Amino acid sequence: DAGITQSPRHKVTETGTPVTLRCHQTENHRYMYWYRQDPGHGLRLIHYSYGVKDTDKGEVSDGYSVSRSKTEDFLLTLESATSSQTSVYFCAIKEDRGLEKLFFGSGTQLSVL
Amino acid sequence: AQTVTQSQPEMSVQEAETVTLSCTYDTSENNYYLFWYKQPPSRQMILVIRQEAYKQQNATENRFSVNFQKAAKSFSLKISDSQLGDTAMYFCAFLIYNTDKLIFGTGTRLQVFP
Repeated sequence: DAGITQSPRHKVTETGTPVTLRCHQTENHRYMYWYRQDPGHGLRLIHYSYGVKDTDKGEVSDGYSVSRSKTEDFLLTLESATSSQTSVYFCAIKEDRGLEKLFFGSGTQLSVL
Repeated sequence: AQTVTQSQPEMSVQEAETVTLSCTYDTSENNYYLFWYKQPPSRQMILVIRQEAYKQQNATENRFSVNFQKAAKSFSLKISDSQLGDTAMYFCAFLIYNTDKLIFGTGTRLQVFP
C-alpha cells in the first residue's frame, strides 16, 4: 500500500454531523490528495496538498475542508455531512513534481444517513 | 477544461483472449502524462501502465500495452492473454505537466470469463 493508511476504513454517520477522515503516510512524500469515487463519475479530486499548510482545491471541493500540519498527515473534514457526500474516499500520495506516479490508500467507505 | 472519456462502461473477454479498452482525452496542453489504473474488487487502486506524452514509443508492461495516438488524443489499453485476475474496473487518467492534478475517466468494468 506504499505506506499509506486511511482511517477509518468504514464510517456511518448522520446528516448534519461533522466527520474527519485521516490519511497517514510513512513515505515523506510532498504531495497528498483526497479523491471521492462514485458510480458513473470515476474518481474526482476534492483537495490536494503540496506541502505542510499548502493546499489547493480540486473539482468537487464544496462542503469539504482539509488540513496538513505535518508532512505525514492529511485530514479531510466534512463540516456538516450530507447524504450526497456518501461515497468512497481515497487518499493518494506523490513523491514530487516530475515523479508523476500517484499511490493510493485502501479507501474509506462513508455513509451519511 | 481537461476531460477524460471512457466510452465502454462494461466489457467482457474470455480467458487467454485479448481485449482493448478505449480512452480519449481532451486538452490543449502539449506536455502531460497518461495512466491506466486497475481497481479489483478489493478496491485497491493499482497503477498498470504510464505513458509520457513526449515519448512516441508506446509503453508496455508484460501483458499490458498501450496504443497512444497523440494527434487523435487517444490512449487505449490492450490486455493480452487475459487472466481471471484481470477482472476489475479500469480507469484511464491524465496529468498535465506542472499542474499536479490527476484527472480520471469514469472507468470500464472488465469481466474475464473462464
